[in-house]
Amino acid sequence: GESVGLHLPTLSVQEGDNSIINCAYSNSASDYFIWYKQESGKGPQFIIDIRSNMDKRQGQRVTVLLNKTVKHLSLQIAATQPGDSAVYFCAENIRIDAGNMLTFGGGTRLMVKP
Amino acid sequence: GAVVSQHPSRVICKSGTSVKIECRSLDFQATTMFWYRQFPKQSLMLMATSNEGSKATYEQGVEKDKFLINHASLTLSTLTVTSAHPEDSSFYICSARDPSRQETQYFGPGTRLLVL
Repeated sequence: GESVGLHLPTLSVQEGDNSIINCAYSNSASDYFIWYKQESGKGPQFIIDIRSNMDKRQGQRVTVLLNKTVKHLSLQIAATQPGDSAVYFCAENIRIDAGNMLTFGGGTRLMVKP
Repeated sequence: GAVVSQHPSRVICKSGTSVKIECRSLDFQATTMFWYRQFPKQSLMLMATSNEGSKATYEQGVEKDKFLINHASLTLSTLTVTSAHPEDSSFYICSARDPSRQETQYFGPGTRLLVL
């Protein structure tokens, strides 16, 4: 769900290892979820999405898992590379009268050690 | 993915100045664009939703007279920070909704505003 954090949690991994970034959302009515990657000084970049009728979706080196029972979303990055270092945000889509609205999680900083 | 651009990428101005930021969708027509503000080490906070041909919808706590939004065409939305003050210094990011995928938003590269 929507959250604002003054201190981003940080995940530090060794190059080549797999990374798992977690996100909890609060609105059970959310029907669509997106993971974004944001590098320093840049806008968020779309990585992968998943609809609420699915529990897993795979992309290139990335997998998103959705557990609606506990309102949990995770992003798995295989064979993490230095270029993966960034802040990762999950976003949930909620349908409102005016259309669709995205709300963002607080973000997780991924640091990849060479 | 779809391409969204912003201009300028960085601006430094004196207190009291008005600053205009442009957001363009380059390869699709966006009936809806969004403006976000992001402070250091924080998540994106939605400021307003910009709808082509109609008035923008502002989030609670965002002053519409201070942050003027104009969405005059299907590829351009502008945000004008009027009479900017140091506390307006932030990273402003726009996004555009892909009409073929109604839930997906593609983001611009952001504009760093520093008000002295």
